[in-house]
Amino acid sequence: SQQGEEDPQALSIQEGENATMNCSYKTSINNLQWYRQNSGRGLVHLILIRSNEREKHSGRLRVTLDTSKKSSSLLITASRAADTASYFCATVNNDMRFGAGTRLTVKP
Amino acid sequence: NAGVTQTPKFQVLKTGQSMTLQCAQDMNHEYMSWYRQDPGMGLRLIHYSVGAGITDQGEVPNGYNVSRSTTEDFPLRLLSAAPSQTSVYFCASSYSKSGVVGYTFGSGTRLTVV
Repeated sequence: SQQGEEDPQALSIQEGENATMNCSYKTSINNLQWYRQNSGRGLVHLILIRSNEREKHSGRLRVTLDTSKKSSSLLITASRAADTASYFCATVNNDMRFGAGTRLTVKP
Repeated sequence: NAGVTQTPKFQVLKTGQSMTLQCAQDMNHEYMSWYRQDPGMGLRLIHYSVGAGITDQGEVPNGYNVSRSTTEDFPLRLLSAAPSQTSVYFCASSYSKSGVVGYTFGSGTRLTVV
């Protein structure tokens, strides 16, 4: 069974706006990772946050982790049309399990 | 720098046929895994390996076999293809199972079973 569940399933915004995606999971984790998938392509690793970390930044990406609520969020600031893709959270404990993803569309 | 290479990119099989999906990585990663991706369901783990000679089952292993004779290669075998195995298959590798620097994914194999 899938570990993470992303919310919303789909998100459409204008270029320049911020995009926030959420991920909830069910069991304890070692770390949580976010991946991007462009249509018809493989997944690309974006950022990893360990279970003892609360926030991490990488360029325009900001990830938070709340282990008490078993949830994480990915914020993309100042979005661009090139950010249009599906975004997946993946939880790592004994292995890596993925959620169903959020489909982000950024309109120019 | 090739990363993770999957072949073939596309394949059509008839029900009952067998085939092998190839995966090779040139990053000396110990950990390799296979996922299938179906619409609306994200990726599900089929099998994984923590090193040469060691394999283990994931969430959805039925109908698939794997072996790991070398660090570089991790083929996935479909024993008797069924329409339910129509999916996109991704191979991934990492230095360790915890993926502390993330997993590297191949570009996928789109399989259709008719």
